[in-house]
Amino acid sequence: NAGVTQTPKFQVLKTGQSMTLQCAQDMNHNSMYWYRQDPGMGLRLIYYSASEGTTDKGEVPNGYNVSRLNKREFSLRLESAAPSQTSVYFCASSAQDQVGETQYFGPGTRLLVL
Amino acid sequence: EDQVTQSPEALRLQEGESSSLNCSYTVSGLRGLFWYRQDPGKGPEFLFTLYSAGEEKEKERLKATLTKKESFLHITAPKPEDSATYLCAVLVGGSYIPTFGRGTSLIVHP
Repeated sequence: NAGVTQTPKFQVLKTGQSMTLQCAQDMNHNSMYWYRQDPGMGLRLIYYSASEGTTDKGEVPNGYNVSRLNKREFSLRLESAAPSQTSVYFCASSAQDQVGETQYFGPGTRLLVL
Repeated sequence: EDQVTQSPEALRLQEGESSSLNCSYTVSGLRGLFWYRQDPGKGPEFLFTLYSAGEEKEKERLKATLTKKESFLHITAPKPEDSATYLCAVLVGGSYIPTFGRGTSLIVHP
């Protein structure tokens, strides 16, 4: 099992450009999450999807959109990137059922917006 | 407001020098407390889940304990490879969104 995979690993954007971060999990988990991690700020939840077909805002959703494409895939889109979105982005998934509630994280996408 | 506080923010140890990391929480209806390890440039890696006060779990040189107000991650005779940031998170009530602390950065010198 690959667990949680993310693409790309690194990306440099210019202000105003758009991009989509991809995330996939092969653990048959119901719930998926997008976080950003900034120095001194810890992990902050951007969006989450409790199950296929549903998405909800987290703590810092402004400037982002998400799509739960199917049970495996959850993408994060930046429509018009801003320097404040320079960060490391992590996708996570969890079963959220009797199997367990532990989150499993991907390796991250490092994004620099110039 | 639910809150999770980790201390210290940073800890430097000599190899073999045992110590503890603290995660205190002010939440209602704790459903689970999680410990993660995060190496530089990587995603958090799951270590332990604790569900009730008095529970303990061990893995190699790490032991996690839980009380009604806090959790400790005890590191016995640490090695340089234990150097990482350790995160704790809590899950409360009917929510499936964990609240994370800001982490403790541990450096173990040889």
